[in-house]
Amino acid sequence: QKEVEQNSGPLSVPEGAIASLNCTYSDRGSQSFFWYRQYSGKSPELIMSIYSNGDKEDGRFTAQLNKASQYVSLLIRDSQPSDSATYLCAVSSGSARQLTFGSGTQLTVLP
Amino acid sequence: SAVISQKPSRDICQRGTSLTIQCQVDSQVTMMFWYRQQPGQSLTLIATANQGSEATYESGFVIDKFPISRPNLTFSTLTVSNMSPEDSSIYLCSVEAPQGGEQFFGPGTRLTVL
Repeated sequence: QKEVEQNSGPLSVPEGAIASLNCTYSDRGSQSFFWYRQYSGKSPELIMSIYSNGDKEDGRFTAQLNKASQYVSLLIRDSQPSDSATYLCAVSSGSARQLTFGSGTQLTVLP
Repeated sequence: SAVISQKPSRDICQRGTSLTIQCQVDSQVTMMFWYRQQPGQSLTLIATANQGSEATYESGFVIDKFPISRPNLTFSTLTVSNMSPEDSSIYLCSVEAPQGGEQFFGPGTRLTVL
């Protein structure tokens, strides 16, 4: 059974701070890793994808992947109230291509 | 990324009836997926739908309950059959990007079964 674990939160950070979201996965064969943002009542929106060890930056977002530790994280710099949402970690393994999602972390950025 | 639409956006149905949800994409895609998101929960994959072949169902989901059609590369349907209140969920279709890997979601169908 492939599992993806996230801190359920909720996580609250003040505006302008760095929000750190973490995710671990059980399948060592996993090759593709994604972070989705989901606002209440909306569908998930892809914000980051990462495929190799290390950091990947896109604007205020940085994804970090450590395959040896089976760990992927998302950092949000200069957090804004508009970042308040549930963040979902998703993992894809090999040729399967379907995604296994974590339970999500609810983030609140306080003005 | 592709533009994905779903119909209906929401519906309220009676126990024992069936509902067919449509997913339309504005470009041809190989892989389409159907997910369920129960209230307050994360997403669970129901099945993978490839054009020209039978859908592949995940453990816990069966074709009799969730029949899927994929008649071409831009369209798919999911039917929720013989509904019960436990089927009340958001149903989402997703498509895989042409280069593979990334998936993009439709707006979802919010289903309430009374």
